[in-house]
Formats: sequence, C-alpha cells, structure tokens
Amino acid sequence: KNEVEQSPQNLTAQEGEFITINCSYSVGISALHWLQQHPGGGIVSLFMLSSGKKKHGRLIATINIQEKHSSLHITASHPRDSAVYICAVLFNAGGTSYGKLTFGQGTILTVHP
Amino acid sequence: DAGVIQSPRHEVTEMGQEVTLRCKPISGHNSLFWYRQTMMRGLELLIYFNNNVPIDDSGMPEDRFSAKMPNASFSTLKIQPSEPRDSAVYFCASSFGGAGEKLFFGSGTQLSVL
Repeated sequence: KNEVEQSPQNLTAQEGEFITINCSYSVGISALHWLQQHPGGGIVSLFMLSSGKKKHGRLIATINIQEKHSSLHITASHPRDSAVYICAVLFNAGGTSYGKLTFGQGTILTVHP
Repeated sequence: DAGVIQSPRHEVTEMGQEVTLRCKPISGHNSLFWYRQTMMRGLELLIYFNNNVPIDDSGMPEDRFSAKMPNASFSTLKIQPSEPRDSAVYFCASSFGGAGEKLFFGSGTQLSVL
C-alpha cells in the first residue's frame, strides 16, 4: 500500500529555533513535494525533489531515496513560518499516471515570538 | 502571470442544488489538477487533466461529480446534486509536466452545502 507518514503532527517552537519536519513513505517514488499552507488557506509549493538536497533562503529540503525519507528544515525560525507543512509523494506507477500525489496528514507548526 | 485563478472563493448552497467551480490555469501549463481538502481526509486528488484530456479521474467520488476542460485555459468542476458531505475546500492546481513538476495552486473555493 502506498503510504506517506509525517512527523510530528504538531510542532511548537520559539523564534530562532532550528526546526525539522519528517516525511516517510512506503515504496519507490518519482518525486516528493513539500507544500506550505498558511492559516488563510492558500497552498504554496516550497520544493519538489527527486534526489539530494535543495535550499531556498532559510528552508532546506533533503531526501534519502534508499531510506525512503525526506526532511524539511527551517533555520532561524520566525513567527511568519507558522503554517501547515504538507509532504506529497508521486509514487512510481509503472507509467500509468503521472498525476496522483499521495499526501501526508500535515504538520502544524507554530512559532512563538 | 496572475497565477491559477479560481472562482468563486466561497459558495454556500442548499442540498440538491447544482454547484459549478471554475479554474483558469497558468498560461502554458499543460497539466491541471482538482483537489478536495477536508479535516477528516486532508488533500485528495479528484481528477487530473493533461493537455485538456482527463487522465486520472479515480478520485471523483461518484457520478454526482463531473469535470471538464474544454480548452487549455479553463476547467470546471460540477457537483449535481450537491450534498452536505461535499462541503470542503476545493483547490485547482496546474503545472508543466504532471505531478512530477512544481505545482501552482489556486486560492481555493470554500464550499458549504447546507
């Protein structure tokens, strides 16, 4: 069964702390997305990974294909980083469909000043 | 580009009524996705179009739901008749090259069926 598990489900931090959110999946993938959803509801794509590591500002995303695991790191966290972070995976589907992402349940991050 | 544009932002309707949600993808994108988000089930794919053709509609709940993409710049998701359990936020997203490329999401339609 194709599954995506995120941890933790809830995360509270103080401004300035280093934050890590984890995503594990069950079988081989073609791509993994990290999404951010703010309290207003809009969804923004932060990263799309198929291997290695990507960095954008204070955000870093890594993926370990062998261990079937990805992490999203936030350095020097700020209250504006408070949001829901969602991992979404495109499982290898034998070429039948390149559309169906499987989503994690999300991690609710709250950063206090 | 203005990004992915969805309308309406909010829709309140009564059970049994027809609801039509609209989406304009980013110009040049060839993939369009309709997602539904609920507290219980999170985000779920309803249907995926590639080059205006429905490729995967396995997420469409039942015959009450239908989606069309008559051209590269417009798609609709229709629910007829609507039921209270359809209440959710519906997102449209587009990309160039399927779900293996960066997705751009619209602001969503908050649907409430009374």
